[in-house]
Amino acid sequence: AQTVTQSQPEMSVQEAETVTLSCTYDTSESDYYLFWYKQPPSRQMILVIRQEAYKQQNATENRFSVNFQKAAKSFSLKISDSQLGDAAMYFCALTSIRGQGGSEKLVFGKGTKLTVNP
Amino acid sequence: DTEVTQTPKHLVMGMTNKKSLKCEQHMGHRAMYWYKQKAKKPPELMFVYSYEKLSINESVPSRFSPECPNSSLLNLHLHALQPEDSALYLCASSPSPLADLQDTQYFGPGTRLTVL
Repeated sequence: AQTVTQSQPEMSVQEAETVTLSCTYDTSESDYYLFWYKQPPSRQMILVIRQEAYKQQNATENRFSVNFQKAAKSFSLKISDSQLGDAAMYFCALTSIRGQGGSEKLVFGKGTKLTVNP
Repeated sequence: DTEVTQTPKHLVMGMTNKKSLKCEQHMGHRAMYWYKQKAKKPPELMFVYSYEKLSINESVPSRFSPECPNSSLLNLHLHALQPEDSALYLCASSPSPLADLQDTQYFGPGTRLTVL
């Protein structure tokens, strides 16, 4: 079974500072994808960043970057120059490579609530 | 454009009512999903449709009945719900296996359901 663990239920950061959210996972698959999703109070789940496990290079999207450590099964999210609009619940998620017939399950962590202080 | 739409945004229903939730995407995605999300919890998968066929049913009670009339549309029919079914219901879709960003799920804004 695949599991995703987010050990920080809540985090806070000052505006313009940098914050890192932690995520560890467990899977027996050799090929998989990892994601960070953001869910603000408006409730829409928004994709922040995606990482293919076979790629050694860490994914980046503007102010968002990951530190992917495959051997340690760790996938942390770094948010640089934090903005008030970054305040949200952040979910780490994992899916194995798509099987026959299409889709695979997305396994979520419990989430980290990020507060951004002005 | 990575847009998944859901209607209605809010729904209040009694335990004897029948209602439906609707989800639509026009990105050519071939997999569509229903999730249930309780407050301060991650989404829980309910159903997956792949190429318009039900591929995963996570042992959801029969009072929830999914339907995929075509590749762009996904419905969730509700009947005889219980107050504990009150939650945010999220729809998502993902591209086909041969497309870029396969296995990436894109979510709609959700329907907030309250069962009285």
